Amino acid sequence: QSVLTQPPSVSGAPGQRVTISCTGSSSNIGAGYDVHWYQQLPGTAPKLLIYGDSNRPSGVPDRFSGSKSGTSASLAITGLQAEDEADYYCQSYDSTLSDRLFGGGTKLTVL
Amino acid sequence: QVQLVQSGSELKNPGASVKVSCKASGYTFSTYAMIWVRQAPGQGLEWMGWINTNTGNPTYAQDFTGRFVFSLDTSLSTTFLQISSLKAEDTAVYYCARNRGHYGLDVWGQGTTVTVSS
Repeated sequence: QSVLTQPPSVSGAPGQRVTISCTGSSSNIGAGYDVHWYQQLPGTAPKLLIYGDSNRPSGVPDRFSGSKSGTSASLAITGLQAEDEADYYCQSYDSTLSDRLFGGGTKLTVL
Repeated sequence: QVQLVQSGSELKNPGASVKVSCKASGYTFSTYAMIWVRQAPGQGLEWMGWINTNTGNPTYAQDFTGRFVFSLDTSLSTTFLQISSLKAEDTAVYYCARNRGHYGLDVWGQGTTVTVSS
């Protein structure tokens, strides 16, 4: 069980909106530490999708958005496309571990 | 352009050692820390730790102490990951990534597959 908990899988039809949650605690997300999100397409290296809770790097479509509330963070994808089918990971810092860590990852399937 | 290029795949016997390299280009190497991530087959990303590219000081995650060593060659803008006494469970893809703090892990290497098998 990861310190940052993500659902193992989510799915949606093309054009729909999906959200992926990342649930932490008062020693990580709840303490205000940055949450970052990464997309890993099959067979490739992870790619930064969202940094600092809700910011998109240059080149990331505005269909992707991030938010944070309390001890949880969320990644939302609107206008789902087949090319969005990938694994998604949240990442933050934990003061109890005194280190950074990843969530367990969520596999997004586009139906 | 900014990129990290890692060394090629490795096949090693149990008990051997392996050294993976990660060469940075397109930016000032010592400006940002470099982190290492392990991904076992079919599994998620594991934070292994990071190295201060200014001082060379490494920091290891709890599960990666003892057999794992991060090092630098600043003249080559290259970071290294050495794993000793290899075990079958070390079989994984290893990634390096540039750590920009608030701006996340913004550049990743392509990954190096290490296979441990007799």
